[in-house]
Amino acid sequence: KAGVTQTPRYLIKTRGQQVTLSCSPISGHRSVSWYQQTPGQGLQFLFEYFSETQRNKGNFPGRFSGRQFSNSRSEMNVSTLELGDSALYLCASSLRASLNTEAFFGQGTRLTVV
Amino acid sequence: TQLLEQSPQFLSIQEGENLTVYCNSSSVFSSLQWYRQEPGEGPVLLVTVVTGGEVKKLKRLTFQFGDARKDSSLHITAAQPGDTGLYLCAGEGGNQFYFGTGTSLTVIP
Repeated sequence: KAGVTQTPRYLIKTRGQQVTLSCSPISGHRSVSWYQQTPGQGLQFLFEYFSETQRNKGNFPGRFSGRQFSNSRSEMNVSTLELGDSALYLCASSLRASLNTEAFFGQGTRLTVV
Repeated sequence: TQLLEQSPQFLSIQEGENLTVYCNSSSVFSSLQWYRQEPGEGPVLLVTVVTGGEVKKLKRLTFQFGDARKDSSLHITAAQPGDTGLYLCAGEGGNQFYFGTGTSLTVIP
């Protein structure tokens, strides 16, 4: 079966712009989580959505937001981009809402802010 | 604040050698997971350990969960070049999912 698909794979944006990243989970998975990965901070949890509702949220500023649609696809939006937002953004899908449920990751979107 | 500290941060060994990666925390976790991430890919789950003192084996990989459920270790026997990657431990705490600082392993043929 198809894995988790993230689009686009690569993105270059300018400071102050906004960006929207997309994640299509594995068919039948209703939970989608987003993570930011940087060399300095490692993998950090952004938020988790289940059945269109945000269930858990990490310690990121309000510039980072997300949503989930009725087909479980999810989008993440970052407004007023800063240089420090350059990172690999990963999404993961799982069957259930528990954060400990086996999660399947996409290949990520590499965002570069210049 | 890093809830999960991994050591070593980098490891470069020859094929056939054994190695151990550690994941330590001052917090208690109901379970811990281990992932491996290869360049250009997302992390892939290797194992979940849930019981204090639990030992799980996956071919040449042995995972152990500490008795107090605050730490875990991953031991690889007779490492192979295919084991090269970033190893991450992860656990749930306070409605967040925390990943460890990571151990980058390189196995030289």
